[in-house]
Amino acid sequence: EADIYQTPRYLVIGTGKKITLECSQTMGHDKMYWYQQDPGMELHLIHYSYGVNSTEKGDLSSESTVSRIRTEHFPLTLESARPSHTSQYLCASSQRQGSGTDTQYFGPGTRLTVL
Amino acid sequence: AQSVTQPDIHITVSEGASLELRCNYSYGATPYLFWYVQSPGQGLQLLLKYFSGDTLVQGIKGFEAEFKRSQSSFNLRKPSVHWSDAAEYFCAVGGNTDKLIFGTGTRLQVFP
Repeated sequence: EADIYQTPRYLVIGTGKKITLECSQTMGHDKMYWYQQDPGMELHLIHYSYGVNSTEKGDLSSESTVSRIRTEHFPLTLESARPSHTSQYLCASSQRQGSGTDTQYFGPGTRLTVL
Repeated sequence: AQSVTQPDIHITVSEGASLELRCNYSYGATPYLFWYVQSPGQGLQLLLKYFSGDTLVQGIKGFEAEFKRSQSSFNLRKPSVHWSDAAEYFCAVGGNTDKLIFGTGTRLQVFP
């Protein structure tokens, strides 16, 4: 099972602040993902990466950006946070195992509150 | 359209009782099916997965799930629930893409 870490676990900030949510994994997985999760709702994919220097937008439009400079690190940045960004953000990683969808392993999440 | 339906938003059971959480999917290709569990304030932990082969899949923590292609279902079961099983359970489907489609989850409450 993957070891995947997210920091901070909880963050409360004011509107207009720039924030970066950190995600790191120690398993050498090629693929990494960011999901947004609101209470009572399914997880929505907002960004993913196939490897270093690869980033793609997910199914849910997001004002956040991501980068993948190192295999193990996939930070998510909000340039100017707004109350509508209040949510839980989950990072995941996976390793190509075959022709179908890989098993994704999740971090503990960051709960973001924007006042 | 590809989708996952978890019809039960909230289920309450007594400790020691059996449990079945329902999951129905719609997917245009051979489905890869997953069950995850999420405890409060935590990320998702993989319980079990089905890719092919035996349609009854065993997972961690005493859970199992059965893939029924004719019913487009992948229901999760446990014969005897423990208080520590109280959590939110998510069913997900993938297949011929890298993306997982999640259901909205079922919250399980366990009474002593």
